[in-house]
Amino acid sequence: GIQVEQSPPDLILQEGANSTLRCNFSDSVNNLQWFHQNPWGQLINLFYIPSGTKQNGRLSATTVATERYSLLYISSSQTTDSGVYFCAVERSSGDKLTFGTGTRLAVRP
Amino acid sequence: KAGVTQTPRYLIKTRGQQVTLSCSPISGHRSVSWYQQTPGQGLQFLFEYFSETQRNKGNFPGRFSGRQFSNSRSEMNVSTLELGDSALYLCASSLGTGGLEKLFFGSGTQLSVL
Repeated sequence: GIQVEQSPPDLILQEGANSTLRCNFSDSVNNLQWFHQNPWGQLINLFYIPSGTKQNGRLSATTVATERYSLLYISSSQTTDSGVYFCAVERSSGDKLTFGTGTRLAVRP
Repeated sequence: KAGVTQTPRYLIKTRGQQVTLSCSPISGHRSVSWYQQTPGQGLQFLFEYFSETQRNKGNFPGRFSGRQFSNSRSEMNVSTLELGDSALYLCASSLGTGGLEKLFFGSGTQLSVL
């Protein structure tokens, strides 16, 4: 099956700092999504981004499908950004969504 | 619009018992997927249902099963529980139009098997 690797596995930031999270995948994909899992376990969909760049407030994401990676940028981090960030990919319609191992982010006040 | 609702939120069972978890998707969504999350294995796909039919299945033993009702609500069942079944079970819904879609997750059911 497709392999999805995320880096770094853990990240500690001071409030207000910026960060970049990376997702590498081993095969061509038609679907890529970024999720944030908060400390209570809720998975929130951040971006649906199989290619290109999208921005939503302090968050933005870029997927370079031809080079098989995606980046999630967090600017001016806040304590509420803490949690685990997952990317998930799908090779084609009807295939299952495969999740990466996640990046655990802690933002200190 | 209400989100994806999963019940119960927490569940404690003993080995050998069976358990049924419930998921109500977002109104208008016809596809429901189930995932198991453990610290060791991460998030793993269990199965997906669309229009009361299983459309896709992950690599889990037959003790894990599911179904979907005509109103798109879904249940998953685990029989003969093992200690290793302790996990957060997450349900996700999507429109199910057949394209590549955005998933929306519920808050999950935390299952502990003693």
